[in-house]
Amino acid sequence: EAGVTQSPTHLIKTRGQQATLRCSPISGHTSVYWYQQALGLGLQFLLWYDEGEERNRGNFPPRFSGRQFPNYSSELNVNALELEDSALYLCASSPGLMGAFFGQGTRLTVV
Amino acid sequence: AQSVTQLDSQVPVFEEAPVELRCNYSSSVSVYLFWYVQYPNQGLQLLLKYLSGSTLVKGINGFEAEFNKSQTSFHLRKPSVHISDTAEYFCAVSRSNFNKFYFGSGTKLNVKP
Repeated sequence: EAGVTQSPTHLIKTRGQQATLRCSPISGHTSVYWYQQALGLGLQFLLWYDEGEERNRGNFPPRFSGRQFPNYSSELNVNALELEDSALYLCASSPGLMGAFFGQGTRLTVV
Repeated sequence: AQSVTQLDSQVPVFEEAPVELRCNYSSSVSVYLFWYVQYPNQGLQLLLKYLSGSTLVKGINGFEAEFNKSQTSFHLRKPSVHISDTAEYFCAVSRSNFNKFYFGSGTKLNVKP
């Protein structure tokens, strides 16, 4: 069974540009979570999607947004990139009681 | 609101020695507890989880954790570590509706030969 897949694995953007990160959950999982792992800051909750709807978001500005498609895959969009957006962005899917299963992440570098 | 505290940011230990990684949480409601491991340049992998029942939970790679409700702790232990256990370990808490996982700041386990 395929795990959570994220693309691209690495992304380099310049300040002010937009970045789009993609995530495909494990088959059968309807919930997708996005986390930011910046250096020295640990894992910060970004967004939770379930059944195509945004259910919750963390303490991030509106330029962080996303969506979930009918096949439960998800996109995270970051507009007006800032240098401090450089981080590993992790996507996880969950069927509920089994916990969250994480992808390998997308490393975003803003220069 | 939940919060998770991992008291040690780094734990150095020699190979074959025992190790305990500490995790405390704060919550006014029942929670589910998890430990994840992140190897260098990889995503997070579920080590073990506590949902209900026995307070001693066994996970993969010889790790176990004990849920202590009175002390609101969920410490991770391994009786004998290997070099391959060198990684960062995250404790996480979730409520029953799983709207988000609250993660601790992580503990870097460095196993030395």
